[in-house]
Amino acid sequence: DIVMTQSPLSLSVTPGQPASISCKSSQSLLHSDGKTYLYWYLQKPGQSPRLLIYEVSRRLSGVPDRFSGGGSGTDFTLRISRVEAEDLGVYFCMQGINVPRTFGPGTRVDLK
Amino acid sequence: EEQLVESGGDLVQPGRSLRLSCTASGFTFGDFAMSWVRQAPGKGLEWVGFIKSKAYGGTTDYAASVKGRFTISRDDSKSIAYLQMSSLKSEDTGLYYCTREPTVWGQGTMVTVSS
Repeated sequence: DIVMTQSPLSLSVTPGQPASISCKSSQSLLHSDGKTYLYWYLQKPGQSPRLLIYEVSRRLSGVPDRFSGGGSGTDFTLRISRVEAEDLGVYFCMQGINVPRTFGPGTRVDLK
Repeated sequence: EEQLVESGGDLVQPGRSLRLSCTASGFTFGDFAMSWVRQAPGKGLEWVGFIKSKAYGGTTDYAASVKGRFTISRDDSKSIAYLQMSSLKSEDTGLYYCTREPTVWGQGTMVTVSS
């Protein structure tokens, strides 16, 4: 199974400041079709996870452009250029190249 | 609007069975694989399994933790995916989400396994 790790596991941020979360996979997520199957989700309290980023860096329609994803192979990063109060919650990365699908442990983001 | 609605969650005793349903709307259900993901209280996300579309054979795959106990099926005529759970254990307790990977998630249905 592909192991997904995230750091930090907790992040206190000041509104308007940037934030960054790292996700690493134990195997490359680059598929032979040329796509890299790494996703980022945000789960707000009491809600289902919501997809923000797919294939490393593609923002889902409607996701604010302050969210960006980057990386390749086994190392990935989610960046928020200026954190807003509505961005608080738990961020998960997930790999979609192999079964079983596996998730990172989550990074809890709250306000400083 | 693409939507998934889970149902069937309940409090059950260890060793018993339970069937969850996931009703889809707003998209052509039969064209997509469907997955189940669960979340124990206060914990992270755990993939349970999926069923491919009929076009890809309708085959299933499961997490090791549920293999042999859980079965996923689908009824494309009703746009419903099912998760049949048997020999339930306390560690199966959690919120069960149906998903159309990676974009569409339901609101979840709670399963509590306890005597």
